[in-house]
Amino acid sequence: GAVVSQHPSRVICKSGTSVKIECRSLDFQATTMFWYRQFPKQSLMLMATSNEGSKATYEQGVEKDKFLINHASLTLSTLTVTSAHPEDSSFYICSASGTARGYTFGSGTRLTVV
Amino acid sequence: AQTVTQSQPEMSVQEAETVTLSCTYDTSESDYYLFWYKQPPSRQMILVIRQEAYKQQNATENRFSVNFQKAAKSFSLKISDSQLGDAAMYFCAYRSLSQGGSEKLVFGKGTKLTVNP
Repeated sequence: GAVVSQHPSRVICKSGTSVKIECRSLDFQATTMFWYRQFPKQSLMLMATSNEGSKATYEQGVEKDKFLINHASLTLSTLTVTSAHPEDSSFYICSASGTARGYTFGSGTRLTVV
Repeated sequence: AQTVTQSQPEMSVQEAETVTLSCTYDTSESDYYLFWYKQPPSRQMILVIRQEAYKQQNATENRFSVNFQKAAKSFSLKISDSQLGDAAMYFCAYRSLSQGGSEKLVFGKGTKLTVNP
């Protein structure tokens, strides 16, 4: 079945540094990638939608300059959290569309900023 | 904008029993998909079941079935013969199929299901 590989699964970084999260579709072409943020015991909050080769569309209230999204190929999308601060600590999940089943989710990245 | 409401923050069920999770949604569109996703403690999102709005027949996947009431905008999930592995957060989600509409999923707030042995 369709698989989206998300790395890293956990990352701890120092405040002020940048962190990159990768999502790769292993056996299908992901025409659209979605990036979510999930706080403990809450639902998924959509941050942005990206299509291969074009600029991402950010949801209202999401800082474009802080959360940089690149979707350079049909199998790879990245989310870079720039100048991370403790309030950016969260669980980040990617999801790709492009299969008959609809959406395939990555396994998530737990980001801790210290 | 579409909204999805899950009115039960938490539910519990005895192993082998049946439980129903509620979901209502608000939309002015006629073409859409509805989904139930499961998120176990691993936090991996797993598709449980999908329903196309144009289909009158309720979707089923083994022990999981839905009661789709389009006019009432209701989409409940029934889990039969509950197993310990069913314990998870369950999210109801909506996706527009309207021309020019977004592919994005609109999620409810989730229902935490506990299965008691």
